Amino acid sequence: AQTVTQSQPEMSVQEAETVTLSCTYDTSESDYYLFWYKQPPSRQMILVIRQEAYKQQNATENRFSVNFQKAAKSFSLKISDSQLGDAAMYFCAYKAGANNLFFGTGTRLTVIP
Amino acid sequence: NAGVMQNPRHLVRRRGQEARLRCSPMKGHSHVYWYRQLPEEGLKFMVYLQKENIIDESGMPKERFSAEFPKEGPSILRIQQVVRGDSAAYFCASSLFSDRGSRSYNSPLHFGNGTRLTVT
Repeated sequence: AQTVTQSQPEMSVQEAETVTLSCTYDTSESDYYLFWYKQPPSRQMILVIRQEAYKQQNATENRFSVNFQKAAKSFSLKISDSQLGDAAMYFCAYKAGANNLFFGTGTRLTVIP
Repeated sequence: NAGVMQNPRHLVRRRGQEARLRCSPMKGHSHVYWYRQLPEEGLKFMVYLQKENIIDESGMPKERFSAEFPKEGPSILRIQQVVRGDSAAYFCASSLFSDRGSRSYNSPLHFGNGTRLTVT
């Protein structure tokens, strides 16, 4: 069974600093996708970044990048130059083939001015 | 290109009433997913549908809950005889999916803004 684990219920970061959110997953599939979603207080689910498992290169989107370690089944999110607007719940998610998207329990990120 | 549209945004029902939640996927998307989020928790999968087909309903409670995605019109999540424990935010997401040779292609799920159901 696929599971996604986020071991950090809460994290905080000083504005302009860098923070890394952890995510591990369990799967027997070789071809799958990994995602990070952001949920601000507005409750909207916003896609932050995605990674295809067959790609060795880590995905980056502006200040957001991932460290994808396929053998270790680890998919951490790094946020550089943190901004106040980055404060939100962050969910790691996994999807394989036609299956549904499995979410972790989330990490609440606080950005300290 | 409008995103995933969910309505209503807020829904209040008394215990025993029925709740109907609607979701219109993004244009061109043929896959719809419903998730439930309890306060301070992550999203829990409920059901995955294609047009006129339920693909996976393993996360759906066996009683009182049903979902459909007709050929025309929005996807509907229906909760009959609501109870207080049904109070939650219900999210719909849609995606484009296709198989290309040996590798399936997954577009990311695009989420609606959710419907917050309150049962009084």
